[in-house]
Amino acid sequence: GESVGLHLPTLSVQEGDNSIINCAYSNSASDYFIWYKQESGKGPQFIIDIRSNMDKRQGQRVTVLLNKTVKHLSLQIAATQPGDSAVYFCAEPHGGSQGNLIFGKGTKLSVKP
Amino acid sequence: EAGVVQSPRYKIIEKKQPVAFWCNPISGHNTLYWYRQNLGQGPELLIRYENEEAVDDSQLPKDRFSAERLKGVDSTLKIQPAELGDSAVYLCASSQQGTGGAFFGQGTRLTVV
Repeated sequence: GESVGLHLPTLSVQEGDNSIINCAYSNSASDYFIWYKQESGKGPQFIIDIRSNMDKRQGQRVTVLLNKTVKHLSLQIAATQPGDSAVYFCAEPHGGSQGNLIFGKGTKLSVKP
Repeated sequence: EAGVVQSPRYKIIEKKQPVAFWCNPISGHNTLYWYRQNLGQGPELLIRYENEEAVDDSQLPKDRFSAERLKGVDSTLKIQPAELGDSAVYLCASSQQGTGGAFFGQGTRLTVV
């Protein structure tokens, strides 16, 4: 079956450093992934997505890498700022891009000043 | 453009009482989701609507939970009667058919005492 999971529950980084948050998935047929950021007391916020025909996609200070061989994706945040402190989830639509989003447990990113 | 709007933001009720949550999705989004998020976990789908039709309610505890989206726009989620284990954040999200990413509201934090 499908599952989306995260390797580490917490990550602490120094302000200005780069952050890397990892995610594994189990369904080799998965073709679309989304990263969400959730700040305390707020709903998940869409950050960036990637389709399986790509192995890298860049946004503003964020890059998502997709390795289909090992069924792994990562979110890289450049020059991490205090405002990046949040829980980050990778999510995958069940049954294709039109399906219900399945979320992993999340990684809590803490940025030390 | 307004995002997904949910109300109330917080609700405290005694067990066995009814409670209702309201959601207004992003204008033009015909897909609407209700998710439940327990503390320290990722959101879990309760029900998904395409316009006014519930296309996936397999995870909705139908003995006490109900939802409606009568005109294919805003939606309500009801719990009757509430149990202690229903304490969670209830998130509404919407998306445009044909796109993969869903956009979330702030959520309603329910506490059942």
